[in-house]
Amino acid sequence: DGGITQSPKYLFRKEGQNVTLSCEQNLNHDAMYWYRQDPGQGLRLIYYSQIVNDFQKGDIAEGYSVSREKKESFPLTVTSAQKNPTAFYLCASTFLPSSLGIHQPQHFGDGTRLSIL
Amino acid sequence: ILNVEQSPQSLHVQEGDSTNFTCSFPSSNFYALHWYRWETAKSPEALFVMTLNGDEKKKGRISATLNTKEGYSYLYIKGSQPEDSATYLCAFSSSNDYKLSFGAGTTVTVRA
Repeated sequence: DGGITQSPKYLFRKEGQNVTLSCEQNLNHDAMYWYRQDPGQGLRLIYYSQIVNDFQKGDIAEGYSVSREKKESFPLTVTSAQKNPTAFYLCASTFLPSSLGIHQPQHFGDGTRLSIL
Repeated sequence: ILNVEQSPQSLHVQEGDSTNFTCSFPSSNFYALHWYRWETAKSPEALFVMTLNGDEKKKGRISATLNTKEGYSYLYIKGSQPEDSATYLCAFSSSNDYKLSFGAGTTVTVRA
């Protein structure tokens, strides 16, 4: 079945620790995105990538890092510089409009809930 | 950060009743407007992608309209059923890039 897989489902971070959230897709999508959700707020964009080996900061990139070494994978690292990492993290992917000529919806994973120990 | 607002934040509707709610977005540099349904313990699911002023889309009992000149979209649920209970997210894409700016969502609870 084609889809987006995020792991782990739950993650706990200790003070000063970096943690990495995994996101893999087998939909052959060009673009991948990381969002953060906090209670009462919309999804906020952390980072996105439209092509392998390239990525751009979103609205709240500070304290996070990403890589895009393969088309299928877009891991997110929450660094110790992120002082308030407790949140729900969603990964998404889509075809770019230029690929299919029309604007496509994003497909989402099931999310990772990150908490502080 | 583009300002996308949804109202109301939540609503309760009796089974069988119809309801609607609003998404407002910047009217300049419009590229696309997305609607997603997010059920508890599931991932957000795409409902509609709308790109043209005056667009109307329908999926079963759910439909949406789009006014890009004044910057709003309505989502309608006709004859609400308990399975329609979810948070409905709208998201706006400007012509500059392929990023989405999301509203905070409208949470719909359908009472049997």
